[in-house]
Amino acid sequence: GENVEQHPSTLSVQEGDSAVIKCTYSDSASNYFPWYKQELGKRPQLIIDIRSNVGEKKDQRIAVTLNKTAKHFSLHITETQPEDSAVYFCAASIDRGSTLGRLYFGRGTQLTVWP
Amino acid sequence: DAGVTQSPTHLIKTRGQQVTLRCSPKSGHDTVSWYQQALGQGPQFIFQYYEEEERQRGNFPDRFSGHQFPNYSSELNVNALLLGDSALYLCASSLDNGGHRSSGNTIYFGEGSWLTVV
Repeated sequence: GENVEQHPSTLSVQEGDSAVIKCTYSDSASNYFPWYKQELGKRPQLIIDIRSNVGEKKDQRIAVTLNKTAKHFSLHITETQPEDSAVYFCAASIDRGSTLGRLYFGRGTQLTVWP
Repeated sequence: DAGVTQSPTHLIKTRGQQVTLRCSPKSGHDTVSWYQQALGQGPQFIFQYYEEEERQRGNFPDRFSGHQFPNYSSELNVNALLLGDSALYLCASSLDNGGHRSSGNTIYFGEGSWLTVV
């Protein structure tokens, strides 16, 4: 089955700095890569996703890059703010066009943004 | 537009008991998946239901079973509870487009049910 590795497990940055979280996957059939933000005691919230037909996607301060050859993808957060503090999970899945398969999650990154 | 709703939000059970958790998918969604998230871990896939049948199953014992109803809502049942079953149980919904290609499928999570087994 798929194996998703995520690094680092913890990340501390100063407000205004950038944060980068990296993930690798093992199954070349995976073609859908979402990122979820989970605040303490809350549900995972989808913040951005990317499919294997594109190499980069951006949404305001958040961007995701995908390298299919190397089987890795990264989350980039610019101009970080204290409210960005949370646990971030990467995941991989197979999008068969009509339906999404199960999500394989990384172990999460605890991001702390210091004011 | 209603999101994914789950009940109950919190519950405490004793070892050996049975529990039923419920989920209503996001409006317009027909596929429901269940995940278990232990403290400090990423969510682990339990199973996925579509058209009232289990379509995919993760590495969980038979004590974990589910059901999907004609209105797409779903239940997760866990029998013979163990201390290690204590976790946040998340329901996720998505849409199966029935063969029509779409690049817009996404998976949305409910707030979860916190289960404590004592």
